[in-house]
Amino acid sequence: EDKVVQSPLSLVVHEGDTVTLNCSYEVTNFRSLLWYKQEKKAPTFLFMLTSSGIEKKSGRLSSILDKKELFSILNITATQTGDSAIYLCAVEGGNFNKFYFGSGTKLNVKP
Amino acid sequence: IAGITQAPTSQILAAGRRMTLRCTQDMRHNAMYWYRQDLGLGLRLIHYSNTAGTTGKGEVPDGYSVSRANTDDFPLTLASAVPSQTSVYFCASSGTSGSNEQFFGPGTRLTVL
Repeated sequence: EDKVVQSPLSLVVHEGDTVTLNCSYEVTNFRSLLWYKQEKKAPTFLFMLTSSGIEKKSGRLSSILDKKELFSILNITATQTGDSAIYLCAVEGGNFNKFYFGSGTKLNVKP
Repeated sequence: IAGITQAPTSQILAAGRRMTLRCTQDMRHNAMYWYRQDLGLGLRLIHYSNTAGTTGKGEVPDGYSVSRANTDDFPLTLASAVPSQTSVYFCASSGTSGSNEQFFGPGTRLTVL
């Protein structure tokens, strides 16, 4: 059964802390792994990863994929209250190129 | 239209009623998806369509049906709504050549009483 598992389920940190969010997967016919940030409404795209070992970076956020060990991490450095959100990991794959989502990590950054 | 839209934004519905959630995209994406999002369960795929004229079942298809008459529109129908279908529904689309990002609509909050 194809599945995506995220950890931790929730996290509370203070501004300035660095956090690491984890995503492991077992998905046949892997095509890509995507990270999304969800605040009040629809998920918004952060990164798409297709190759192992290549770090994607955007400001204080970065992500890397390990296709051998079947996981990805999302790092956020110097966290701010505006980083508070649910972070979703999704893997595109399966028999019909579907997207499989993890249950998300709820991040709460306190002032 | 820019991107992907959904209607209605929210709806309260009596159990047993029929309801269609609308989704339209103007990005000429081949693939479209319907998800429901419930607390603690993340996004679960209901139905998907890889191209106009084809549809497939996702993880939780029971009680829902879809159609894909053209590239732009992908309506989701609840034939006879039940309270367990109370959820937030997201429509999404993506291209199908190679690996692609998914774009999400703003969501429809549905309450079935």
